[in-house]
Amino acid sequence: ENVLTQSPGTLSLSPGERATLSCRASQSVSSSYLAWYQQKPGQAPRLLIYGASSRATGIPDRFSGSGSGTDFTLTISRLEPEDFAVYYCQQYGSSPRTFGQGAKVEIK
Amino acid sequence: QVQLQESGPGLVKPSQTLSLTCTVSGGSISSGGYYWSWVRQHPEKGLEWIGHIYYSGSTYYNPSLKSRITISVDTSKNQFSLKLSSVTAADTAVYYCAREPLKFGISGYVDYWGQGTLVTVSS
Repeated sequence: ENVLTQSPGTLSLSPGERATLSCRASQSVSSSYLAWYQQKPGQAPRLLIYGASSRATGIPDRFSGSGSGTDFTLTISRLEPEDFAVYYCQQYGSSPRTFGQGAKVEIK
Repeated sequence: QVQLQESGPGLVKPSQTLSLTCTVSGGSISSGGYYWSWVRQHPEKGLEWIGHIYYSGSTYYNPSLKSRITISVDTSKNQFSLKLSSVTAADTAVYYCAREPLKFGISGYVDYWGQGTLVTVSS
């Protein structure tokens, strides 16, 4: 299976700062079939990005995704208080679909 | 807006079968265009895709769980279900039902999730 490794595990930043999260795949992700989700405590994940760079409905434009092949990035241009959460990447280019282990963005 | 709601026992004994149902509202499973999925999250850990079903009954399962999983659909009730047999403590997790859009023959990301239900495997 295609193993996804996210880094860093925890990112400590202040509101207004830029967050850059990495997701590296053990095998090339077919056709950039990669998604990003945000999860807050006690809640289900929320879709942010699909197809590596397409924002889901209602997602603010401060969230952007990029990358191809084995290296993908989620960028939050200016952190808002509600953005402090855990972020997961997921590939759906090969079976089984797999998720990264998660990366936490915490308030510094 | 589509809503999904899981239901089922929160406690299952080891070696027994875990059974969950997801009720979909705000849209019809029979309309097509989506796969209906199950994803689980072990305590304090990451996410694991379990499998999905189309309204026609076509299924695909995670190979790591395939021998123990059955996913079925009841379009008359707008529900789909998960059965996981021979459970152990390792199956303790929050189980989510979810919707995967089908676009140009490709599915795989989830655009709507249920709130999740914790299932504990313990005697």
